[in-house]
Amino acid sequence: AQSVAQPEDQVNVAEGNPLTVKCTYSVSGNPYLFWYVQYPNRGLQFLLKYITGDNLVKGSYGFEAEFNKSQTSFHLKKPSALVSDSALYFCAVRGLRGSQGNLIFGKGTKLSVKP
Amino acid sequence: KAGVTQTPRYLIKTRGQQVTLSCSPISGHRSVSWYQQTPGQGLQFLFEYFSETQRNKGNFPGRFSGRQFSNSRSEMNVSTLELGDSALYLCASSLAKGTGEADTQYFGPGTRLTVL
Repeated sequence: AQSVAQPEDQVNVAEGNPLTVKCTYSVSGNPYLFWYVQYPNRGLQFLLKYITGDNLVKGSYGFEAEFNKSQTSFHLKKPSALVSDSALYFCAVRGLRGSQGNLIFGKGTKLSVKP
Repeated sequence: KAGVTQTPRYLIKTRGQQVTLSCSPISGHRSVSWYQQTPGQGLQFLFEYFSETQRNKGNFPGRFSGRQFSNSRSEMNVSTLELGDSALYLCASSLAKGTGEADTQYFGPGTRLTVL
């Protein structure tokens, strides 16, 4: 079965420092991996996805993610964090057809960026 | 282009009642998926509709149902509400080209359902 894990419930970063939000995955077949961000009382906003090709994927708002097949990881990164990046971040993998046919989400990581 | 819209944004119901939530996808998107978000269980997939047909279904009881109309708009219905149904219900739409696995899903703001 497809699954993703976000090992950190919370990540704290100082503004201007680089940030990393971790995600590992377990899939059968080709992994289709996604990152979303959720601000309070809002829906999920798409940041980026990995389908195939370059292991470094660039997304919205200066975020990027590195796909590592040998470590089965898809960590989200940003070179310089902003206070406005504080939010809940979700990693997701596309499930197989049937009961897991859609996005399977990790538990989420709360990112807190302090001035 | 307008995003995914969901109505109503907030809803309060009592146990035993039923509720219908509505979702309008991004123009041109043919697939609509529904998710339930709770603090305890996180984000869980409910079902997906494509061309008015349910294409995928999550592990939820039969009290949860949905449908899609010819204009791709979708509704989900929950009958005999339970306290545990209190959640944020999110709708997402995608173009659904080909088999759809690589499609990006774009989410609406959600409907916050409170069951008393």
